[in-house]
Amino acid sequence: AQSVTQLGSHVSVSEGALVLLRCNYSSSVPPYLFWYVQYPNQGLQLLLKYTSAATLVKGINGFEAEFKKSETSFHLTKPSAHMSDAAEYFCAVRHNAGNMLTFGGGTRLMVKP
Amino acid sequence: DSGVTQTPKHLITATGQRVTLRCSPRSGDLSVYWYQQSLDQGLQFLIQYYNGEERAKGNILERFSAQQFPDLHSELNLSSLELGDSALYFCASSAAGGQGNEQFFGPGTRLTVL
Repeated sequence: AQSVTQLGSHVSVSEGALVLLRCNYSSSVPPYLFWYVQYPNQGLQLLLKYTSAATLVKGINGFEAEFKKSETSFHLTKPSAHMSDAAEYFCAVRHNAGNMLTFGGGTRLMVKP
Repeated sequence: DSGVTQTPKHLITATGQRVTLRCSPRSGDLSVYWYQQSLDQGLQFLIQYYNGEERAKGNILERFSAQQFPDLHSELNLSSLELGDSALYFCASSAAGGQGNEQFFGPGTRLTVL
């Protein structure tokens, strides 16, 4: 069965600093991987997805993620954090048997001025 | 705005009661998914419907049921409610039930069971 693990339930960075949110997956077949963002009192918005085309995936709002099969990782990065990036971020993997998603525990990103 | 609508936004009810959550998918989307987000369980897939038919089941309790109607809107019915059912319930939709299709999430319904 597919699963994802997000290391660090809380990450705090200064404005302008690098953002690195970690996600490791477990899958017996090449996975489809997703990063979603959830702002307070809102639903989930797709940031980017990996569907086996390019290993470096660019998403919205300056975020990108790199698929590394050897490390079973799909970490999310952004070169320079903005205050508006403060939110909860979820990594997810799609099930083989259907299109439903299994989510990691989430990482709350805090951005300090 | 994802194009997925959910009503109501908030629901407060008592233990033992029954509630119905409603979801309207994006125009043209045939698949609807229900997820539960709680503090202790995180985000969990409950059930998927595709064009009116149940497609997949996740960690959905027997007290919970869902359906998708001919106009493609979906309802999630929660009965014999317990305190632990308090959570945020999300609906998502995708163009089809196939692999890799992006799911668009609604704003959620926050259920509080007192």
